[in-house]
Amino acid sequence: QQQVKQSPQSLIVQKGGIPIINCAYENTAFDYFPWYQQFPGKGPALLIAIRPDVSEKKEGRFTISFNKSAKQFSLHIMDSQPGDSATYFCAASRAGGTSYGKLTFGQGTILTVHP
Amino acid sequence: DTAVSQTPKYLVTQMGNDKSIKCEQNLGHDTMYWYKQDSKKFLKIMFSYNNKELIINETVPNRFSPKSPDKAHLNLHINSLELGDSAVYFCASSHGVARGVGETQYFGPGTRLLVL
Repeated sequence: QQQVKQSPQSLIVQKGGIPIINCAYENTAFDYFPWYQQFPGKGPALLIAIRPDVSEKKEGRFTISFNKSAKQFSLHIMDSQPGDSATYFCAASRAGGTSYGKLTFGQGTILTVHP
Repeated sequence: DTAVSQTPKYLVTQMGNDKSIKCEQNLGHDTMYWYKQDSKKFLKIMFSYNNKELIINETVPNRFSPKSPDKAHLNLHINSLELGDSAVYFCASSHGVARGVGETQYFGPGTRLLVL
């Protein structure tokens, strides 16, 4: 069962554009929503994360928007640069129970930023 | 000073063989994980250990057996390798589930396994 659905699968923008990647989740017990960035040949690395008590979080050029009622969250990259070209994964997890920090990942979005 | 390291980086082997992947973290973390990334880049958790104790065991064939000799190491042994095991395997670590939700997971560079 795919509990976190991510779209689009791939995205191409020009330098300076604002790519937006969307995720939707099913499990209302999720309470931590990170985004990971993965460059070719490397492991994923945490980019930014949000908890459901806020609707938006900004770190540098990266912003997460969170809509708890719609069970959706999205990543916006302001003033995108060619160096932002990577695969982006949304994820979700919940505290307690038997989840023990288990991250459920979306399918990934391959972002290409043209110079 | 690599935070999470894995060996080997590449592994090419024949079907039916047994192989191991090693993982070490020098971050002082209590919890370690194994993830599998398939050819479509989908990442799925396989196992998680907290202080050498198995705490997450997803629906993984029992040909896969993790072992944690101490909390800084988590190895993955795979018996009777099959073509479908070809993937990238990532080790990760975090401070520990006892601290609650939202612990950053730090991933290793991955081990690219190709079964012929």
